[in-house]
Amino acid sequence: NAGVMQNPRHLVRRRGQEARLRCSPMKGHSHVYWYRQLPEEGLKFMVYLQKENIIDESGMPKERFSAEFPKEGPSILRIQQVVRGDSAAYFCASSQGIGELFFGEGSRLTVL
Amino acid sequence: SQELEQSPQSLIVQEGKNLTINCTSSKTLYGLYWYKQKYGEGLIFLMMLQKGGEEKSHEKITAKLDEKKQQSSLHITASQPSHAGIYLCGADNRDDKIIFGKGTRLHILP
Repeated sequence: NAGVMQNPRHLVRRRGQEARLRCSPMKGHSHVYWYRQLPEEGLKFMVYLQKENIIDESGMPKERFSAEFPKEGPSILRIQQVVRGDSAAYFCASSQGIGELFFGEGSRLTVL
Repeated sequence: SQELEQSPQSLIVQEGKNLTINCTSSKTLYGLYWYKQKYGEGLIFLMMLQKGGEEKSHEKITAKLDEKKQQSSLHITASQPSHAGIYLCGADNRDDKIIFGKGTRLHILP
């Protein structure tokens, strides 16, 4: 009964590099959500995906950020040309579509 | 857009004391979620409230939903060191996502 799995748990990138964060939802869940948490801040919604579809990306920055949830494999949050302001904890959550979200342990990105 | 205001932002409580955390929504609440986050870790689901006046309890934690006031409260009785962490409320607006407040940071003094 594996929960939501995120990797890597910690990622260090230099400015201008790319960051890829992966999320495998709980078994049987087809709804994936990405949130960002800045130090001393709450969770900010970024994007909601179902298999092969982006349902709501109203919280995604317009540039450099993209997300996908392919038919096979994990959901990926991709940040291109990272800047120091991208340093944060990125949390993935999954659900069956109704009810509570199940969260992963998060991926902590540090941009040098 | 939906906004959730949590109060207090942080709280320091002597072990054994009771405490209450509040969550107020700027919009109608169709569902209210409470999560706990240990520092540096992921979120753990505590409770979900859907109906006005609903009250749920889990061990020493009780949450209530006042739908008319668009507000929920989380009450911890006889606090313990294990209760320390960040408590986040999340609102379901029926628009496919849950929006979270900034959290309340709870510290328990031994």
